[in-house]
Amino acid sequence: AQTVTQSQPEMSVQEAETVTLSCTYDTSESNYYLFWYKQPPSRQMILVIRQEAYKQQNATENRFSVNFQKAAKSFSLKISDSQLGDTAMYFCAFMNSPYSGGGADGLTFGKGTHLIIQP
Amino acid sequence: GAGVSQSPRYKVAKRGQDVALRCDPISGHVSLFWYQQALGQGPEFLTYFQNEAQLDKSGLPSDRFFAERPEGSVSTLKIQRTQQEDSAVYLCASSWRENEQFFGPGTRLTVL
Repeated sequence: AQTVTQSQPEMSVQEAETVTLSCTYDTSESNYYLFWYKQPPSRQMILVIRQEAYKQQNATENRFSVNFQKAAKSFSLKISDSQLGDTAMYFCAFMNSPYSGGGADGLTFGKGTHLIIQP
Repeated sequence: GAGVSQSPRYKVAKRGQDVALRCDPISGHVSLFWYQQALGQGPEFLTYFQNEAQLDKSGLPSDRFFAERPEGSVSTLKIQRTQQEDSAVYLCASSWRENEQFFGPGTRLTVL
C-alpha cells in the first residue's frame, strides 16, 4: 500500500514571499502520478499541479512548480509570489498509473498542510 | 460546463438512520470516485466506478456502506444504520481519464 506524508501541519508566510510545501511518499511501483490539490476554506478541492513519474522534467503551472525527486520519493510544491487567495489546505496525493497492470484506483492523500498567507 | 455536484450539501442524521448521498459527475466522465474526509484529515478512498461497474470497493469501511451507479452517470452512496464515527465530509470526484479527478463540493454528514 502507498503512503503519503506531509510533515508540515501549518505554514504561514507574508504575501509575495515564496513558500515550499514538502511531501514524501512510499511505493514499490515505478509508474504513478503525483498531485497537489488545494482546498480553500469551505470550498471544493481543486487540482493545482500534476506530475507523471516517468517524466524527469518538473511540472510548472504559472506561480506553482514542483521539485520531483523520484529516487528520494519526494515531491515538494513551491509557490512563488504568494497571494492572499493562496490561503488554503494543500494536499499531496499519489495514484498508481492505470497502465501499470494493477488497474485504476483512487488517490492516496497526505494529511495536508494548512497554508496561511499574511497580508 | 457544470462541474461535479453533490446533494445534499449538509445532512444531519440520528444514530441508526439510513442516509443516501448523491453525486452528479461531469457529463461524459467515465470514472467516478467516492472519498471520506474526516475533520482535519486528508480524504480517504472509498470506492471507484468505471461507467456502471464498481471496480474497487476496498475502501468501504463496513458492510453498512453501499454505492451504486446503475446507469453509469449519477451515483449514490448509501450508509445504513449510521453511527457517530460516520460523521465526515463525503467527496465525489469524476474523471474522463484516470489521472485527473475533478471534485464536487462534498456532503457534510453529521450523525448525532
